[in-house]
Amino acid sequence: DAGVTQSPTHLIKTRGQQVTLRCSPKSGHDTVSWYQQALGQGPQFIFQYYEEEERQRGNFPDRFSGHQFPNYSSELNVNALLLGDSALYLCASSIGLAGGLFYEQYFGPGTRLTVT
Amino acid sequence: LAKTTQPISMDSYEGQEVNITCSHNNIATNDYITWYQQFPSQGPRFIIQGYKTKVTNEVASLFIPADRKSSTLSLPRVSLSDTAVYYCLVGDIRAANFGNEKLTFGTGTRLTIIP
Repeated sequence: DAGVTQSPTHLIKTRGQQVTLRCSPKSGHDTVSWYQQALGQGPQFIFQYYEEEERQRGNFPDRFSGHQFPNYSSELNVNALLLGDSALYLCASSIGLAGGLFYEQYFGPGTRLTVT
Repeated sequence: LAKTTQPISMDSYEGQEVNITCSHNNIATNDYITWYQQFPSQGPRFIIQGYKTKVTNEVASLFIPADRKSSTLSLPRVSLSDTAVYYCLVGDIRAANFGNEKLTFGTGTRLTIIP
């Protein structure tokens, strides 16, 4: 049973460029959340997708956008990259409302983005 | 969401029992306490979760006093592979409504196991 997978593993971009990160949820999961983790900090919630719609959003600017596909996989797009966007980007998957008593989130290994 | 306070770092020797305490004075009635472990360059991994009293699984124990304003994660007989950052999270994680699954992480406790 494959867990959460993310690609690419590492990425180096230049300030002002755009980037797309990809996530495949754990088998049977239909909800994908994205987190940003700066060095030495805990993960910060960016947004969540369910049924191909953004359901919740954290305190991140509109430069951060996403998409969920019919197979539940998801993309995170960041436009006009800033140096401060350098971080580990984590994807977490879970089962939506009908999944059980508690939400159980499974995290992928992350994509390390470096903006120069 | 209840704010949590935990030590920034801890050191322990192999084979010892490690206890990491988390304070959450403003915990709400529907909040659960969940601990995650994170190794460098990996995503966080669920360790244990509880509401009150004591919970034990194959990895750790979680002690929660009656007032629920704090909790203690206990790792028995730690090894070098337990070196990681441990996060205490407090929130309503019941799968009744959307919004509950958003996790709020603090800065965690960096645990270093010494040989």
